[in-house]
Amino acid sequence: NAGVTQTPKFQVLKTGQSMTLQCAQDMNHNSMYWYRQDPGMGLRLIYYSASEGTTDKGEVPNGYNVSRLNKREFSLRLESAAPSQTSVYFCASSRAGTANYGYTFGSGTRLTVV
Amino acid sequence: SQQGEEDPQALSIQEGENATMNCSYKTSINNLQWYRQNSGRGLVHLILIRSNEREKHSGRLRVTLDTSKKSSSLLITASRAADTASYFCATDDGNNRLAFGKGNQVVVIP
Repeated sequence: NAGVTQTPKFQVLKTGQSMTLQCAQDMNHNSMYWYRQDPGMGLRLIYYSASEGTTDKGEVPNGYNVSRLNKREFSLRLESAAPSQTSVYFCASSRAGTANYGYTFGSGTRLTVV
Repeated sequence: SQQGEEDPQALSIQEGENATMNCSYKTSINNLQWYRQNSGRGLVHLILIRSNEREKHSGRLRVTLDTSKKSSSLLITASRAADTASYFCATDDGNNRLAFGKGNQVVVIP
């Protein structure tokens, strides 16, 4: 099925370990986003890429880096994981920003940092 | 900071009843969107209403937007058990990204 694919679905890390969350979309969308979802906090934007070759910080970028590898793929990297980064991470894509189109979300990566 | 704030936070209704939830926001917007999230899943886009629109319908969904009060409402008519989910409003303030509210949990009792 067409859509946004996130890997892995679950991950447990020890404090200080690093990992990369992968996201790929096959809808030829220009814009891609990474959000984290915490209980009672809703979704908060970490980083986004309005188009291939550009990335920008969102509301909570500290402790994360991103790479827009090509038009399809947008990865999120945790260089030194901390317990505060325990969360559910969602990748989303949109045809062209937010003006006229909704986002398509992946099914999420549930990350626990111990 | 969160742009959208939904009210009420949790709603429990009987199947067949209507469910209404509200969203308020602080800054001017280009559009406002509503999303649904089933337990353990990603968000699904439901409907988008532009700042120059006042009301929009999609199936059993009705969305209103009052830019003077900076608020929106989502009405789900004739609710079904499958409508049990969390509902989020999200606002586009023209910066090419959406700001999501904290979500509204709806439980439809069969």
